Amino acid sequence: GAVVSQHPSRVICKSGTSVKIECRSLDFQATTMFWYRQFPKKSLMLMATSNEGSKATYEQGVEKDKFLINHASLTLSTLTVTSAHPEDSSFYICSARDRLYGYTFGSGTRLTVV
Amino acid sequence: DAKTTQPTSMDCAEGRAANLPCNHSTISGNEYVYWYRQIHSQGPQYIIHGLKNNETNEMASLIITEDRKSSTLILPHATLRDTAVYYCIAHSGNTPLVFGKGTRLSVIA
Repeated sequence: GAVVSQHPSRVICKSGTSVKIECRSLDFQATTMFWYRQFPKKSLMLMATSNEGSKATYEQGVEKDKFLINHASLTLSTLTVTSAHPEDSSFYICSARDRLYGYTFGSGTRLTVV
Repeated sequence: DAKTTQPTSMDCAEGRAANLPCNHSTISGNEYVYWYRQIHSQGPQYIIHGLKNNETNEMASLIITEDRKSSTLILPHATLRDTAVYYCIAHSGNTPLVFGKGTRLSVIA
């Protein structure tokens, strides 16, 4: 089946620094990828839709200047959390849609900002 | 996507069948019913999906009522590793999946 690889799985960073999370579709091309975040004991919340070669579409309430999304190739989308603060600590998950296998999710990145 | 309603939590004895219900009374004709599960600290895992007919794969069976207003996911022989949050999603097209609160299934030894 389709595989989406997400790295890193865990990251700890200091307040004020930036963190980049990568999401790769390993055996298929994804013109569109999706980024979610999840707080403890809560459901996944869609943050943005990443479009290859164009700007991402952000959900209401998500700061585009804080959560920078780049989708430079058909197999890679990155989410950069800029000037991270403790309230940005969360579980970030990416997803991509493959024609044959539907929606596949990465294994998630647990971000802790100290 | 149509709204779905699931019980907050369920318990199931190991080795027994787990039957997880989902209500989607406002589902439209072109929306599929998808089931995903999320084991703690992992990304969601696809289980099964269907439109009208019942479906079965190596993981589970999906029973959709004739009026399509509800469905049931069946794990035939639950194991401890099936403990997870199960999400039922009514969806069509290429837009992203929208997750509800899901059902927290606890499989008990």
